[in-house]
Amino acid sequence: AQSVSQHNHHVILSEAASLELGCNYSYGGTVNLFWYVQYPGQHLQLLLKYFSGDPLVKGIKGFEAEFIKSKFSFNLRKPSVQWSDTAEYFCAVKDTDKLIFGTGTRLQVFP
Amino acid sequence: GAVVSQHPSRVICKSGTSVKIECRSLDFQATTMFWYRQFPKQSLMLMATSNEGSKATYEQGVEKDKFLINHASLTLSTLTVTSAHPEDSSFYICSARDFGGGATGELFFGEGSRLTVL
Repeated sequence: AQSVSQHNHHVILSEAASLELGCNYSYGGTVNLFWYVQYPGQHLQLLLKYFSGDPLVKGIKGFEAEFIKSKFSFNLRKPSVQWSDTAEYFCAVKDTDKLIFGTGTRLQVFP
Repeated sequence: GAVVSQHPSRVICKSGTSVKIECRSLDFQATTMFWYRQFPKQSLMLMATSNEGSKATYEQGVEKDKFLINHASLTLSTLTVTSAHPEDSSFYICSARDFGGGATGELFFGEGSRLTVL
């Protein structure tokens, strides 16, 4: 079965800093990959997803992720973070009809 | 976007009692809903897949008699934690796939229900 690992458990940044959160999945073939965000006190929301095509995926709120098949990676990036980006970020991979989530990365952005 | 609503958002119960959590898709039909459990500072763990009109499919290690799932309509799935114990305290999250979205349809998540068993 698929598994997902997120290596950064807690990231602290100042506003305007660049962000990259790592995500690796366990095996290849056709993969559907997702990044979700959970703002404090709110439910999970989809940031972006990759099914096929252009490996550089643009999402909401200025986020993007790059699918690198050779590295089994789907890292999330944002050139300049804002205080409002403080949240928990989850990478997920679709396994048959289910989503398998990583352990999440807690991002704190300070003004 | 589509909305999934969970109720209650917080529940506190005594050990040995049963608790029911509802998950509703408010503006779309969902033949499949998923129940997750989230431990503090950990990932979401899939518990079971709820299928409308049929039995739920449970993940390995999840007790089906402990966590009863019913998906009676295309907009409602319920999770009942039977004879709850303190170790069942957790954050339970449901998600639903828009029926019109097919196999790659977006999953929408409920707000979650925090269960505390005393």
